[in-house]
Amino acid sequence: QKEVEQNSGPLSVPEGAIASLNCTYSDRGSQSFFWYRQYSGKSPELIMSIYSNGDKEDGRFTAQLNKASQYVSLLIRDSQPSDSATYLCAVIPSGGSYIPTFGRGTSLIVHP
Amino acid sequence: SAVISQKPSRDICQRGTSLTIQCQVDSQVTMMFWYRQQPGQSLTLIATANQGSEATYESGFVIDKFPISRPNLTFSTLTVSNMSPEDSSIYLCSDTTGADYGYTFGSGTRLTVV
Repeated sequence: QKEVEQNSGPLSVPEGAIASLNCTYSDRGSQSFFWYRQYSGKSPELIMSIYSNGDKEDGRFTAQLNKASQYVSLLIRDSQPSDSATYLCAVIPSGGSYIPTFGRGTSLIVHP
Repeated sequence: SAVISQKPSRDICQRGTSLTIQCQVDSQVTMMFWYRQQPGQSLTLIATANQGSEATYESGFVIDKFPISRPNLTFSTLTVSNMSPEDSSIYLCSDTTGADYGYTFGSGTRLTVV
């Protein structure tokens, strides 16, 4: 069973702080990694993808990948109350399928 | 990325009945996927809908319970048959037209079975 693990939270940070969300995965051969944001009552929205070790930045979001340690993280700088949502980590495992395995998600609360 | 229109957005159904959920994509896509998300849980893949062939179901999901149609490259339906309260969930369709091969999701159908 190829698994993706996330701390369910909630992770509570003050407005303006850096929120750090982490995800570990079991399939060492995984090549594609995604972060989705899901507001309550809404469907997931893709916010970041990363394929290579290191950092990838997009605005206030930075995805970090470490394949040797099998973890991927998402940093949100200058957190805003509007960032309050559940963040889902998704990993496409090895084996030729393009179907990702999703983690359970981490609930983030940004308080004013 | 494509835009997926999903309906109905929500429904309350009597046990023993069936509900058909529709997803319309604004461009042609090879594969569409159907997920279920129960409260506080992650996404569970039900099946992959392939145009011109039968859907591929994941372990624990069967065609008699969740029949899927894919008549063309822009449309798919999922039917939840003979519903029980355990089928109460959010059902989502998706495709792979998101940026960098990420998934794009429909808006979801919140199903309550009473």
